[in-house]
Amino acid sequence: GAGVSQSPSNKVTEKGKDVELRCDPISGHTALYWYRQSLGQGLEFLIYFQGNSAPDKSGLPSDRFSAERTGGSVSTLTIQRTQQEDSAVYLCASSQGAWAGIGNTIYFGEGSWLTVV
Amino acid sequence: AQKITQTQPGMFVQEKEAVTLDCTYDTSDQSYGLFWYKQPSSGEMIFLIYQGSYDEQNATEGRYSLNFQKARKSANLVISASQLGDSAMYFCAMSVASGGSYIPTFGRGTSLIVHP
Repeated sequence: GAGVSQSPSNKVTEKGKDVELRCDPISGHTALYWYRQSLGQGLEFLIYFQGNSAPDKSGLPSDRFSAERTGGSVSTLTIQRTQQEDSAVYLCASSQGAWAGIGNTIYFGEGSWLTVV
Repeated sequence: AQKITQTQPGMFVQEKEAVTLDCTYDTSDQSYGLFWYKQPSSGEMIFLIYQGSYDEQNATEGRYSLNFQKARKSANLVISASQLGDSAMYFCAMSVASGGSYIPTFGRGTSLIVHP
């Protein structure tokens, strides 16, 4: 696609429910990243995919968080048994390759705003 | 480990004036990339400018320029002729090539307000 697409754009869920956030990266981009941004804060790295594999999952805050990527394209971030502290904007980004150079700039989607009540 | 520091939580500038947003970084790697992103109230992260560690000239993109001082490990963003639409959060980021992959690290951001 023309840009990184994320869905849903807004999600309100009850505490304890599971949620799935979807990211469709720019066509041809092999690298995909998930970040979390709490209100007024910077970006917190969650997970990185190169193709379908995730070489770095170190940012996932707990075992309630998981992510997968299929076909080297779409990725899904799943949060199980949501807690109020999970409320944040979840940003997905993609780049053409693993090395950030002028040709591999990271492009972000508009984010999924998650509110846990 | 990589670290990005943005010491200015908020900046104010008058329309049509220039403004400098500070960014310092820390890495032991010789090969790295530096980025600036703009995040308006809509939430989208918009790529502004990139500087490679081996680039000898400062990067420029329209009204944006990156003042790269490698010895000081600083990568300040200069916005010339500020416009009201420049009001947003600005994030500095760094990526390091290590083992064939990298994770961009972001600073905490600077809120810029442009007033008439």
